[in-house]
Order: sequence, then C-alpha cells, then structure tokens
Amino acid sequence: DTGVSQDPRHKITKRGQNVTFRCDPISEHNRLYWYRQTLGQGPEFLTYFQNEAQLEKSRLLSDRFSAERPKGSFSTLEIQRTEQGDSAMYLCASSLEGGEQFFGPGTRLTVL
Amino acid sequence: GESVGLHLPTLSVQEGDNSIINCAYSNSASDYFIWYKQESGKGPQFIIDIRSNMDKRQGQRVTVLLNKTVKHLSLQIAATQPGDSAVYFCAEMEYGNKLVFGAGTILRVKS
Repeated sequence: DTGVSQDPRHKITKRGQNVTFRCDPISEHNRLYWYRQTLGQGPEFLTYFQNEAQLEKSRLLSDRFSAERPKGSFSTLEIQRTEQGDSAMYLCASSLEGGEQFFGPGTRLTVL
Repeated sequence: GESVGLHLPTLSVQEGDNSIINCAYSNSASDYFIWYKQESGKGPQFIIDIRSNMDKRQGQRVTVLLNKTVKHLSLQIAATQPGDSAVYFCAEMEYGNKLVFGAGTILRVKS
C-alpha cells in the first residue's frame, strides 16, 4: 500500500453514461497526476495538478474528460458520455514537487 | 486481477538466476529515468531511479545501467525470486514531472 487510494476499484457502465473517479493522494504531496493504462501498454499521462491548479493536460484528454482538485487534496476525474474506447485502468499518482511518484491501485473502467 | 501485458515481451528465468530487462527511451533530452514494477491488479511500484549524470546505480538486489549514447536502460535483478514476477516498465521524466513509460516486459520466475 503506497498511501494513495482510489475509488471505486472497478466500474462497469453502459456507453453514454457519465462516470466519476476519486483519488486521495498522500496527504503532504502537492502534486497529483492522472494516467490511463490499456491492456498491454504502459501508463499514459493525462493531466496533473500542483495543489489545486491544473497545470497540464494531455491531448489524450478529450473534452469529455474533466479533472478537478478543488482544495488541493483529493481529485476527481469525470468522463462524460462514455465510449467503449474509454475502457482502461485509470491510475492516480502523487508526489512532492520533483519527488518520486507513488501510484494508487487504479480504477478499472469497463464500458459496455 | 488485471492481465497487463498480453502483447509484451516475456523474460522467463529460473529462480536464483540473474535477470536483465532492457528498455530503449526516445528523448535524448531526458535527464531522469525510473524503473517500475507492476503486479497484476496493482499500480506501478518504484524500484530504482537514475539521473543522466550517472551510468550505473545500485540498490538492494537491483542495478540500473544507463547508456545515453544509444538511449538504452537496463535493469538487472540479482538472485531472482518468485516474488519478482511482474511487468517491468522503464519511464523517463519530462517537463512537469510527467512520466513517459516504455512498453514493458513480463518477467516470469520459474521455481
């Protein structure tokens, strides 16, 4: 257990539905990252926050995706109008600035 | 659990042997590299890191070698144990501390 938690661990949804995932980072970490991992691939960067500010978003993050970190602690990742291609493991990581990234266990999303 | 790595290269080793996992990276400007281990159903776990001003770094049972000339990293695991079975990823850190992961290698340890 790295100290980073994610909820839910598994989510099955129907195409077109909205889903929201939560990440609770290690409490003193000011940076929080979201990655997506599909079968047979390494994780791919989606976005990251420093405190409550979202500093960078990947081109992978379409306008159906939105992430927030309202108080600089936990973060949510919402996917609107889910598509089958959104099926993946969504990983959260946290770090101190310039430090090692600690990953959570991930949320496995299956879109039917 | 998650079946990560359906199409990844696989390295099979006998328990007690040494393992060498290789990785090529793409960005010659990268100056920080990390090896991660990922077990089924879990997130990546930090193993060892190395900065570009070094060519070798040792940890407990693990050694990372960096060859900047050919943009190549390797992870050596000494006396491989069944608990080392996992998918191993190298990653390079880009601006903003975001990680760019390589394709991964499955390590299977035979008892």
